[in-house]
Amino acid sequence: GAGVSQSPRYKVAKRGQDVALRCDPISGHVSLFWYQQALGQGPEFLTYFQNEAQLDKSGLPSDRFFAERPEGSVSTLKIQRTQQEDSAVYLCASSSTGGGRMNTEAFFGQGTRLTVV
Amino acid sequence: AQSVSQHNHHVILSEAASLELGCNYSYGGTVNLFWYVQYPGQHLQLLLKYFSGDPLVKGIKGFEAEFIKSKFSFNLRKPSVQWSDTAEYFCAGGGSNTGKLIFGQGTTLQVKP
Repeated sequence: GAGVSQSPRYKVAKRGQDVALRCDPISGHVSLFWYQQALGQGPEFLTYFQNEAQLDKSGLPSDRFFAERPEGSVSTLKIQRTQQEDSAVYLCASSSTGGGRMNTEAFFGQGTRLTVV
Repeated sequence: AQSVSQHNHHVILSEAASLELGCNYSYGGTVNLFWYVQYPGQHLQLLLKYFSGDPLVKGIKGFEAEFIKSKFSFNLRKPSVQWSDTAEYFCAGGGSNTGKLIFGQGTTLQVKP
């Protein structure tokens, strides 16, 4: 596709509900990243995939957060038993390089705004 | 610990004024530095990046930034801002061997016509 696509754009979840956020990276991009952006803050790293391998998940805030990229393309970020502090914009980014080399630009999607009520 | 900090959280300028947004980083090893911009309702877009070489980098829309290693700084500049530059600006750093970026808190720039 022309850019990184995320869906849904907006999600309202009741506390305790499970949610799944989807990211379609740019076709052929090896690296995929998830970030969490709280209101008034910069994005914070959650996790990183190189193809289907999750190489870094150090930013996932709890074991309620789970990400996958089973075929090395589309990725899903799942949040179980959502809590109010999970309310944020979740950003996905992709990059053409892999092997942990960040010498190229990361392209960002528009994000999914999650509101937990 | 790795960190990126932006000094100005909210900047208001009149059109044609000069802009400088501060960014400082704390990073062990080789660091790549970026400035991203987010226009209202749009996704993050890359303004410019520094990996190595000439410390003065030029980006899109007349923006430039200077990497000063001794000051751990990567300030963003533009000689004359336009109303259309109203946006949120993020400085970010990443290691050359790691995929993740560390972002600053962001600076909201409001340009008055």
